[in-house]
Amino acid sequence: RKEVEQDPGPFNVPEGATVAFNCTYSNSASQSFFWYRQDCRKEPKLLMSVYSSGNEDGRFTAQLNRASQYISLLIRDSKLSDSATYLCVVLPTSGTYKYIFGTGTRLKVLA
Amino acid sequence: DTGVSQNPRHKITKRGQNVTFRCDPISEHNRLYWYRQTLGQGPEFLTYFQNEAQLEKSRLLSDRFSAERPKGSFSTLEIQRTEQGDSAMYLCASSLEGGRPDTQYFGPGTRLTVL
Repeated sequence: RKEVEQDPGPFNVPEGATVAFNCTYSNSASQSFFWYRQDCRKEPKLLMSVYSSGNEDGRFTAQLNRASQYISLLIRDSKLSDSATYLCVVLPTSGTYKYIFGTGTRLKVLA
Repeated sequence: DTGVSQNPRHKITKRGQNVTFRCDPISEHNRLYWYRQTLGQGPEFLTYFQNEAQLEKSRLLSDRFSAERPKGSFSTLEIQRTEQGDSAMYLCASSLEGGRPDTQYFGPGTRLTVL
């Protein structure tokens, strides 16, 4: 089983739609969680950190469920510019700083 | 631009040649990381430095790979006797010790093609 698993997609959604991605992780001791966005042939860029209480940044909402070991990202009112790959990232345990990435979920927002 | 920079951005080499990549982190960041990303996959951790000390290495980092950060600032990643399987995007990231959470910022990457 992979340490971090994501549905690779692609998710094709119309502009204005709401779309949700899930990500599961295997290490219950994992400390920190993030969503990064990666455009084609570019570097990953931090979208948001994920906190136990859930957090929101504009149209984006991230949730963490430690009991079920999954993280979610909700995008409301999708824009064409949201088209990208969304990478789920887990920092597994204290004492290490290596990120564990999922394979990414591709999103294409259609006009 | 005060972000992470990497050079070169692209490198094409023949199998068996040695290549070296450079990464300059965000200036106040004392942690520096190298990752490798192949098509359709997320980045995979290779190694990381805290200041000049290399603190962790992945088993992906074979004997042909070596990374250095001699003065705790920029870092180099060298691949000796390149193989076609080394073709990938090599990403560098940096972070600041004490950040809560530890947030890594990525450079634009060096795309390596081994012919």
